[in-house]
Amino acid sequence: AQKVTQAQTEISVVEKEDVTLDCVYETRDTTYYLFWYKQPPSGELVFLIRRNSFDEQNEISGRYSWNFQKSTSSFNFTITASQVVDSAVYFCALIVSGSARQLTFGSGTQLTVLP
Amino acid sequence: KAGVTQTPRYLIKTRGQQVTLSCSPISGHRSVSWYQQTPGQGLQFLFEYFSETQRNKGNFPGRFSGRQFSNSRSEMNVSTLELGDSALYLCASRQGDSYEQYFGPGTRLTVT
Repeated sequence: AQKVTQAQTEISVVEKEDVTLDCVYETRDTTYYLFWYKQPPSGELVFLIRRNSFDEQNEISGRYSWNFQKSTSSFNFTITASQVVDSAVYFCALIVSGSARQLTFGSGTQLTVLP
Repeated sequence: KAGVTQTPRYLIKTRGQQVTLSCSPISGHRSVSWYQQTPGQGLQFLFEYFSETQRNKGNFPGRFSGRQFSNSRSEMNVSTLELGDSALYLCASRQGDSYEQYFGPGTRLTVT
């Protein structure tokens, strides 16, 4: 069985601060995919990124960056120079390789960016 | 391209009633998955449909069922509603064999 842990329930930062959201996962499969989703108050889950287990390159997209480390089973998400619009719940999720595309989600981190 | 749409957005039902929720995937996407989100249990997988066939089912009682039509639209049904079924029900679609799932805005169901 798979498991995703987001230990940070809530984080508050002041605008322009950098913030890192932690994600630790567990799986016995060697091929898997990791995701980050953003859920604003409207409720819709917005896809941010997918990472394959065989690709440990870090990725940067604008103010967002992701650090994937298989050695520690972590897939952390950093927002640089946070903005009020970044306030949302962020979910880390996992899918293992196979025909099923069943996402296993972490419990989410509520990020509040204060002006 | 239009995103995933779900109807209705909000629903209030009484215990014992049944409810049907609808999901229209992104054009060209043939796979639809359903998830339940509650404060206590978080986001949990309900089931996945591909080409009108259920491919995978989560750990939910038989009161939860679904189906997919030939145009890829999907419905989920919950019979004999319980208070604990109050949740945000999210639908997601994906293209082909892709692993990325794109979510709709959800249907917020309240059972009183």
